[in-house]
Amino acid sequence: AQSVTQLGSHVSVSEGALVLLRCNYSSSVPPYLFWYVQYPNQGLQLLLKYTSAATLVKGINGFEAEFKKSETSFHLTKPSAHMSDAAEYFCAVRHNQGGKLIFGQGTELSVKP
Amino acid sequence: GAVVSQHPSWVICKSGTSVKIECRSLDFQATTMFWYRQFPKQSLMLMATSNEGSKATYEQGVEKDKFLINHASLTLSTLTVTSAHPEDSSFYICSASSGLAGGENRPPRDTQYFGPGTRLTVL
Repeated sequence: AQSVTQLGSHVSVSEGALVLLRCNYSSSVPPYLFWYVQYPNQGLQLLLKYTSAATLVKGINGFEAEFKKSETSFHLTKPSAHMSDAAEYFCAVRHNQGGKLIFGQGTELSVKP
Repeated sequence: GAVVSQHPSWVICKSGTSVKIECRSLDFQATTMFWYRQFPKQSLMLMATSNEGSKATYEQGVEKDKFLINHASLTLSTLTVTSAHPEDSSFYICSASSGLAGGENRPPRDTQYFGPGTRLTVL
């Protein structure tokens, strides 16, 4: 069975500091992995995705993630946090049948001035 | 591109009534649409997968007769919450994906694009 685990339900960083949100996956087949962001009372916006091409994936708003098969990880990073990055972030793996997404528990990112 | 809308954005209804939520893909044809439910401070829970022209596939524990899903066209899916009760109050989010290979004016098929969500409150 496929699954994702996000380590840390809440991460707090200072403005300008490095953002690191952790995601580990479990999959018996090569995974398709996604990071989504959700602002309060809104739907999810795709940040980036890994689909077996380059292991370092660049997304929108300066975010990137690196697929590491040996560590079964797909951590999300951003070199310098902005106040506008404060939101809920979800890591997801695409199920190998039917295309449904399996989401992690989510990580709330707070950015302090 | 790849815009998904939901209507209404919020709805308040009395217990026992039915509520219909629409999900539309505005600029692409969505062969598959998904319906999720999200409780406060929690992750998304998939309720059902809907393919155009066929019956929806419901996740275990989701009542088919309570949450009616219709996917009559390649751009529209509806979720009807029948005989709603206060415990059905939640944030409902749909997503859409294209079953075709990505190309000009067509999002890649491996990606789901999400609507803005509908807040349902049942009194």
